[in-house]
Amino acid sequence: QVQLVESGGGLVKPGGSLRLSCAASGFTFSDYYMSWIRQAPGRGLEWISYISSSGTIYYVDSVKGRFTISRDNAKNSLYLQMNSLRADDTAVYYCARDTGSYFYFDYWGQGTLVTVSS
Amino acid sequence: EIVMTQSPATLSVSPGERATLSCRASQSVSSNLAWYQQKPGQAPRLLIYGASTRATGIPARFSGSGSGTEFTLTISSLQSEDFAVYYCQQYNNWPPLTFGGGTKVQIK
Repeated sequence: QVQLVESGGGLVKPGGSLRLSCAASGFTFSDYYMSWIRQAPGRGLEWISYISSSGTIYYVDSVKGRFTISRDNAKNSLYLQMNSLRADDTAVYYCARDTGSYFYFDYWGQGTLVTVSS
Repeated sequence: EIVMTQSPATLSVSPGERATLSCRASQSVSSNLAWYQQKPGQAPRLLIYGASTRATGIPARFSGSGSGTEFTLTISSLQSEDFAVYYCQQYNNWPPLTFGGGTKVQIK
């Protein structure tokens, strides 16, 4: 069965960095587009980044220049390098699988919490 | 950026009753709209895509309708497990992909 497992979250000071990972299993990872979506405490969902199977990348404006999405198809893994973190980046970060034809999400990980605080 | 607006923010419904949730787009998204259900402490789950197609394993009491800028998610007879927050998401015009603010369906 499809599984997505995020890791790497934690407490970081403003201006710090963190790298999130998402381990995928149960499907041919290299065939699928992937995204990172976050949810601030008590708030709604915010899409933040996408990477296609061939490496096309998009970001929401609020993270451009600070976050970098990448993937390693050999390791069935998705990554999010987060630099210059701010308090408003505090959220649960989900990785999600795009259906491959249209840009909605059929599988989600359980999420990893990132807290940015001094 | 397409702004998605959901209403109401909170909907109080008795078990067995019908729930009707609305989602409005700031410009046409055709039928490129998905609905998700999220329970506390869990990841969202895909319910509906293409505005009206149920995802795999989703019960028939969930139905979606609409196109363009106005969409509706209907839960025909609420079960205890349906009390949750529901989000719509457009995927017609992006980046960015955008979600609505959510509707919380709670027990009346």
